[in-house]
Amino acid sequence: DAEITQSPRHKITETGRQVTLACHQTWNHNNMFWYRQDLGHGLRLIHYSYGVHDTNKGEVSDGYSVSRSNTEDLPLTLESAASSQTSVYFCASSEGDTQYFGPGTRLTVL
Amino acid sequence: GQQLNQSPQSMFIQEGEDVSMNCTSSSIFNTWLWYKQDPGEGPVLLIALYKAGELTSNGRLTAQFGITRKDSFLNISASIPSDVGIYFCAGDWPSGSRLTFGEGTQLTVNP
Repeated sequence: DAEITQSPRHKITETGRQVTLACHQTWNHNNMFWYRQDLGHGLRLIHYSYGVHDTNKGEVSDGYSVSRSNTEDLPLTLESAASSQTSVYFCASSEGDTQYFGPGTRLTVL
Repeated sequence: GQQLNQSPQSMFIQEGEDVSMNCTSSSIFNTWLWYKQDPGEGPVLLIALYKAGELTSNGRLTAQFGITRKDSFLNISASIPSDVGIYFCAGDWPSGSRLTFGEGTQLTVNP
C-alpha cells in the first residue's frame, strides 16, 4: 500500500546543530508539505513543494530549508537548531486539495 | 494570511452524547476538510467538502460546507470513547493546494 513515512520519529539535539528530518511518500504525489504543531497554534506551514526542484516558503519558514530532488522525498533541514524549534513536525503529500499526513517527528532542542 | 477560527477549543462529554464543532473564516474557501488526530499520530482525513451548501456524512459524522463559503461545521452523533482526539478543520487557498488549519478542538469522551 502507498504510504508516507517520516524519520526519525523522535530526535533530541543541541542548540546550534544542523538537523535533517526525512519525509518519504510512495503515492507519487507532486505536492509535499512540512508543518509544525505547537500547543495553541494548530498546524503551521513551514515549506512546501509542487514538484521536483520546486520549493516555497510557508508562514513560519525562518530557520528551515527544504530541497526536492525527486518526487518521493522532501527533507526538512534546520540549519542551526534553536530551542524555539522544539516541536512536533508533520510531513504531508497531496494531489489536489486532500493532504495525507505522516506520523510525525518529535524534535527536542536542548 | 488567512485564518480559521475553530470552536470550541475543547469539549468534555459523556459517551452517547452528540457533538458539534465549527470553523469560520474571514476569507472564502473552495474546499473544507475535517481531520482527526489521535495521540502520537498524524491527522487523518474524515470528510472533504467541495461545494457551498454541501452536506456530507461518514458514518456517525456529518459535515457541512457553509453557503457563504466562509464556514463549516462537523457533528458527531452518539459519541463513543474512540472519538477522543483533536479535530481540525482546514480550508484550501483559492490558488494552489495549500491548506489553512484551525487550531483544533480537543474532544474528551467519558465512558
